Amino acid sequence: AQKITQTQPGMFVQEKEAVTLDCTYDTSDQSYGLFWYKQPSSGEMIFLIYQGSYDEQNATEGRYSLNFQKARKSANLVISASQLGDSAMYFCAMREGGYNFNKFYFGSGTKLNVKP
Amino acid sequence: EAGVTQSPTHLIKTRGQQATLRCSPISGHTSVYWYQQALGLGLQFLLWYDEGEERNRGNFPPRFSGRQFPNYSSELNVNALELEDSALYLCASSKVAGGILKNIQYFGAGTRLSVL
Repeated sequence: AQKITQTQPGMFVQEKEAVTLDCTYDTSDQSYGLFWYKQPSSGEMIFLIYQGSYDEQNATEGRYSLNFQKARKSANLVISASQLGDSAMYFCAMREGGYNFNKFYFGSGTKLNVKP
Repeated sequence: EAGVTQSPTHLIKTRGQQATLRCSPISGHTSVYWYQQALGLGLQFLLWYDEGEERNRGNFPPRFSGRQFPNYSSELNVNALELEDSALYLCASSKVAGGILKNIQYFGAGTRLSVL
């Protein structure tokens, strides 16, 4: 089974509008971390936001927020007031607790296009 | 502060040859991770090094190997190259090896390996 599922291969959003990128995860661990990364065409992965499984509040970082629904095992990224520079691939990732502490599982990504 | 640096940016090899990719972590980071990103796909975990030791590896054949040097820089070696090894290889570094789920990995811009 896939550990991380991103069901939207591509998304379009109008500049200045908000957009939600979906991510569901699969784990039996109680302790895990969820991450979102942005990958522009240059290739470098840029860390955006983190949510821990025990965090009670949804994480926010500037225009980025993470809609964490633990019972549904979803960790959707919300980008408010989209900008042209937000056009990129977005990857959801998870780290589980236990021996494989530093093994990340990445989703297949969502390509976001922001239209002027 | 310098980020994660990778070299070379591009590498072209022929089938059966060996490739060596290099990574310098952020100063103060002791852990280095390698990922393979085939065209249009998500990231697949390859290797994790910390304090000079290989701590974990993903589901890749033994011809993918590497090492970490005393200055924490790292090399990824791919022997007996196959056409399907063509991909973007990303290196990441982090400050703490384990025990903390919010162990953010910071990525370099990658080495694009083309096997002809």
